Amino acid sequence: DAKTTQPPSMDCAEGRAANLPCNHSTISGNEYVYWYRQIHSQGPQYIIHGLKNNETNEMASLIITEDRKSSTLILPHATLRDTAVYYCIVRGPFGYNQGGKLIFGQGTELSVKP
Amino acid sequence: EAGVTQFPSHSVIEKGQTVTLRCDPISGHDNLYWYRRVMGKEIKFLLHFVKESKQDESGMPNNRFLAERTGGTYSTLKVQPAELEDSGVYFCASSPWDSYGYTFGSGTRLTVV
Repeated sequence: DAKTTQPPSMDCAEGRAANLPCNHSTISGNEYVYWYRQIHSQGPQYIIHGLKNNETNEMASLIITEDRKSSTLILPHATLRDTAVYYCIVRGPFGYNQGGKLIFGQGTELSVKP
Repeated sequence: EAGVTQFPSHSVIEKGQTVTLRCDPISGHDNLYWYRRVMGKEIKFLLHFVKESKQDESGMPNNRFLAERTGGTYSTLKVQPAELEDSGVYFCASSPWDSYGYTFGSGTRLTVV
């Protein structure tokens, strides 16, 4: 079973920031938080990941709480092309536990509206 | 850099037939994964190769599914004989050993009728 909990759906206005929450209260000390998204019927796309510190890349920012029990993915200026299902996944490093496989939950369906 | 390539993109077969799906990972990626999404369900892990060795095949549903990875390059997933419940989208993903972000292919949509 997935170790994360996400709202099933969210709306966001185009050009505004999209903040997608995720709860992972049972996360272990060496497990990472990953975010992927799936646009329509394409393959999942890696967005970002982090362990303890906040992370930022060209796609998004990841804010992880100090106790690591929850996190927020931020798309700073959402566009219509960001409409997708977003998955928050907790995963151990290679060589740990089950070797790094991803366990997908239901994700959050983000709709960006004009 | 070429992405992960899957072939065919779509396959429609009759129950009882055999189908072979192929995945070409990104060159140099030692890790190769198979996942699938069946109708209305979440994306589920099937198995993980490290080079040509099966690292984890705990997600393979039954012995009708056989995965191989010849010489640590491309991989095939054979379903024999196919059943109706095997219908879904099969995804392949790859990553380098020391990287944590997978690159997924576009998937093969399998329909068993």
